Amino acid sequence: EPEVTQTPSHQVTQMGQEVILRCVPISNHLYFYWYRQILGQKVEFLVSFYNNEISEKSEIFDDQFSVERPDGSNFTLKIRSTKLEDSAMYFCASSLGGLGPSTQYFGPGTRLTVL
Amino acid sequence: DQQVKQNSPSLSVQEGRISILNCDYTNSMFDYFLWYKKYPAEGPTFLISISSIKDKNEDGRFTVFLNKSAKHLSLHIVPSQPGDSAVYFCAARDSGAGSYQLTFGKGTKLSVIP
Repeated sequence: EPEVTQTPSHQVTQMGQEVILRCVPISNHLYFYWYRQILGQKVEFLVSFYNNEISEKSEIFDDQFSVERPDGSNFTLKIRSTKLEDSAMYFCASSLGGLGPSTQYFGPGTRLTVL
Repeated sequence: DQQVKQNSPSLSVQEGRISILNCDYTNSMFDYFLWYKKYPAEGPTFLISISSIKDKNEDGRFTVFLNKSAKHLSLHIVPSQPGDSAVYFCAARDSGAGSYQLTFGKGTKLSVIP
């Protein structure tokens, strides 16, 4: 069964450093998403991406964040200058459709620890 | 602002019995609802969904019921199995607003006791 994959599984970085989290969505999916879950809190939406551009973003997704689809398979989330409060699990998701009843399938997550 | 609420942080059920997980929402514009299961150190796994035009959707041991007037949905697992022990998240979406984002509840940890 096709699945979303993410690398690395765990990333440790120093405050102020840049990190890139990588995702390979399900191959025939067209819509891609990033969510995060801070320990003990809810899963929160960050951004959605379609046709090589951001289609929606939340208040969390400020200028420190960016997304890119550098090739036909990868989807990346970059945090330019990490802060302590960026420590969280980051989940990538993809879906075949966008609007309407479309199911988003999640990857296993990357645990980001900012020291 | 908790638009999706799962008021029970945990639930314990005997193997073979029914598990009922509840979810309430406040945004009347939500029109698509999903349940996800999550094991530790893994991502959310899609279980079952329901559109607001329906009041019930069934898939094997899993049934989701939607009561739009009460803004309430529930997930029934029958019979419950030890492998069902996980955290269950309710999620909702306002697809009519052109929004892609899922709004999640805090989750309910289900423990199925052998």
